[in-house]
Amino acid sequence: QKEVEQNSGPLSVPEGAIASLNCTYSDRVSQSFFWYRQYSGKSPELIMSIYSNGDKEDGRFTAQLNKASQYVSLLIRDSQPSDSATYLCAPRSRASKIIFGSGTRLSIRP
Amino acid sequence: DVKVTQSSRYLVKRTGEKVFLECVQDMDHENMFWYRQDPGLGLRLIYFSYDVKMKEKGDIPEGYSVSREKKERFSLILESASTNQTSMYLCASSSTTVNQPQHFGDGTRLSIL
Repeated sequence: QKEVEQNSGPLSVPEGAIASLNCTYSDRVSQSFFWYRQYSGKSPELIMSIYSNGDKEDGRFTAQLNKASQYVSLLIRDSQPSDSATYLCAPRSRASKIIFGSGTRLSIRP
Repeated sequence: DVKVTQSSRYLVKRTGEKVFLECVQDMDHENMFWYRQDPGLGLRLIYFSYDVKMKEKGDIPEGYSVSREKKERFSLILESASTNQTSMYLCASSSTTVNQPQHFGDGTRLSIL
């Protein structure tokens, strides 16, 4: 079992719709969770952090965490073409080490 | 804002050369990391460092070494470059404070001919 599992996609979503990205992780002691966005040829950029069970909203982005199910998700509302990118799920399991998923490729179609 | 600076955006070297990739961060972070990223393989950790002069192997250290003589600088060394080391190399840094993320540099696209 991989430490972090994400559907590789591509996930195709119409412009203006909600994009839902999912992630499961294996390390039960993970305390903090990050979502990074990576455009093609660029480096990953942090877009959301979540530490407690429940939802955390930041603009059009909502991160959801369920530690009992070892599940974290990212919702993007009112999807825009500029949201087309690969999204990396990244739990922080042990001191200072973050485990990155392989990413889900999201495509927003006009 | 955290600034992680990688010395080169693009680099072309020849097989057998010794290659140095430099990374500098300006946030006094204790932790620094080197990854490589290849299509379909995601981010793979090469080496990381928790403190000056300290280093630990990541998942794919073979063919690489690192140096951390100063807190702000973490260097990746390809001892004898080979074509299979052609890749995008990413440096990152983070604080040891609980719940802090990693911040990435812009990356170095390295081609070994």
